[in-house]
Amino acid sequence: EDQVTQSPEALRLQEGESSSLNCSYTVSGLRGLFWYRQDPGKGPEFLFTLYSAGEEKEKERLKATLTKKESFLHITAPKPEDSATYLCAVQGIGAGSYQLTFGKGTKLSVIP
Amino acid sequence: GAGVSQSPSNKVTEKGKDVELRCDPISGHTALYWYRQSLGQGLEFLIYFQGNSAPDKSGLPSDRFSAERTGGSVSTLTIQRTQQEDSAVYLCASSRTTNTEAFFGQGTRLTVV
Repeated sequence: EDQVTQSPEALRLQEGESSSLNCSYTVSGLRGLFWYRQDPGKGPEFLFTLYSAGEEKEKERLKATLTKKESFLHITAPKPEDSATYLCAVQGIGAGSYQLTFGKGTKLSVIP
Repeated sequence: GAGVSQSPSNKVTEKGKDVELRCDPISGHTALYWYRQSLGQGLEFLIYFQGNSAPDKSGLPSDRFSAERTGGSVSTLTIQRTQQEDSAVYLCASSRTTNTEAFFGQGTRLTVV
């Protein structure tokens, strides 16, 4: 069974204070790892897809990296508008299922 | 529109009634997912459709839940004899193929009273 654990559950940062969110995963084989951002009352918004260890993707102040056991979402010089819950999901190779298994998320608050 | 559309956005129903939730995926997307998100919980997989293949129903919590996808496009999630524990946000997502990113709708907030 695929499993995803995200840490920390919540993170408060001062504006401009860089940090990283962690996503640890267990899958029999990885098809892809996905990062999403979710604002209150909204559906998750896609950020990145990573397919293999060593891969990195960047978008504005966000950078996602992947190893064989975990992924990090690095936030550089965050702004208040980066406040949201960040979700990590994996799609594994198992019995032909393509379901996405999500972690519970990290709630990020960026204080001005 | 260009995104995934779900309706209604909010639904309040009485315990024991049946409800239908609708999802219009992005045009041309062959894969469609339903998830459930309860307060303070993660996204729980319900069902997955891919083209004309048999759907993956492994996440449906009970036989009160069913879903169909007509013509490879619009999907309807039906909950029969609703219970209070069914209260949650129901999210639909679609993706272009089987292992590409999924795009989510805004969800339907279901409240069973």
